[in-house]
Amino acid sequence: DAKTTQPNSMESNEEEPVHLPCNHSTISGTDYIHWYRQLPSQGPEYVIHGLTSNVNNRMASLAIAEDRKSSTLILHRATLRDAAVYYCLPSRRNKLVFGAGTILRVKS
Amino acid sequence: ETGVTQTPRHLVMGMTNKKSLKCEQHLGHNAMYWYKQSAKKPLELMFVYSLEERVENNSVPSRFSPECPNSSHLFLHLHTLQPEDSALYLCASSQGLAGLYNEQFFGPGTRLTVL
Repeated sequence: DAKTTQPNSMESNEEEPVHLPCNHSTISGTDYIHWYRQLPSQGPEYVIHGLTSNVNNRMASLAIAEDRKSSTLILHRATLRDAAVYYCLPSRRNKLVFGAGTILRVKS
Repeated sequence: ETGVTQTPRHLVMGMTNKKSLKCEQHLGHNAMYWYKQSAKKPLELMFVYSLEERVENNSVPSRFSPECPNSSHLFLHLHTLQPEDSALYLCASSQGLAGLYNEQFFGPGTRLTVL
């Protein structure tokens, strides 16, 4: 399984964009890149996923490097409700292997 | 009820007790999962069921016994647990096996304490 490296924690101001990086240098050509987040006292929640092209949805954008060895989750305007642990998961078939993730703190 | 529900939300049990965790998904999905989340550790995948058949068992001790009677329900039967089994147990479901392009929907979890 591909290994991931994420910062332990990041801090953002409310209403500002946040770029959450993830390094997955051992990713294979068929692994999708998933992002999930876990709010306090809740189960994880799907955010976005992609294979090669950049992706946008109502929650966030995903920028994938051309060599696919890294990706960046972009929250365009952070709110206090975005404070959570964000997980980057290169995955295949039924394997979603969670790492330690990045704790995002949002300051008002 | 909508989404994925889990009962009970909190459970305290002794090492000699037998208890069961229940998960129900109201999304029409055909794959279900059990995860364990211990303090300060990443989520660990325990079991995967697809079309009610177990397709993954990640070296979980036999004191944890899963059961999937139909595509909407998943149980985790617990017996003779150890204090180190105290954790948040999360259930998830997906349409098709997750990992390619199918997202997983998680329940709120059962907080288990083993005394």
